Amino acid sequence: AQKITQTQPGMFVQEKEAVTLDCTYDTSDPSYGLFWYKQPSSGEMIFLIYQGSYDQQNATEGRYSLNFQKARKSANLVISASQLGDSAMYFCAMREGASGTYKYIFGTGTRLKVLA
Amino acid sequence: DAGITQSPRHKVTETGTPVTLRCHQTENHRYMYWYRQDPGHGLRLIHYSYGVKDTDKGEVSDGYSVSRSKTEDFLLTLESATSSQTSVYFCAISEKRSSGGRGRETQYFGPGTRLLVL
Repeated sequence: AQKITQTQPGMFVQEKEAVTLDCTYDTSDPSYGLFWYKQPSSGEMIFLIYQGSYDQQNATEGRYSLNFQKARKSANLVISASQLGDSAMYFCAMREGASGTYKYIFGTGTRLKVLA
Repeated sequence: DAGITQSPRHKVTETGTPVTLRCHQTENHRYMYWYRQDPGHGLRLIHYSYGVKDTDKGEVSDGYSVSRSKTEDFLLTLESATSSQTSVYFCAISEKRSSGGRGRETQYFGPGTRLLVL
């Protein structure tokens, strides 16, 4: 079974609009972390945001927020006020395991295109 | 960018030859990782290290070995390269810190190595 599922292979959004990228996860570990990364066409992987499984509040980093719904096992990324530079691949990832055995699992990604 | 470099950045090799990729970091991070990225698969963990001489397998470790004799270097070796190992290889480190009363983790990635096995 897929541990990280990103069901949207591609999405379009109008510049200055908000967009939500979906991510669901599957784990029986009570301690885990959830991450989003951006990969522009140049190829580098850029960390965006992190949410710990015990965090009560949704994480925010500037225009990025993570909509964490633990019971539904979802960790959607919300980008507010989209910019042309947000066009990229976005990967959701999960870290499972107790401290010292960190393994990260990535989804297959969502390609976002921001339209002018 | 956590001071992560990878070498070489591009390599073309022939099937059956050994290949070693190097990841170097300058900030004394304990955890280091090797991933491969292929279309339709996202990033998949090959091996990771949680200290000098301490390594473990990821989900796609067959055909790969790793070594970490110093904190700053994590080497990935393809003992006998095959065409199925043509990919982009990323090295990463992870760190954990507290910020504003909350724990914060992240992974920082190197620039990647494009490997073509003919």
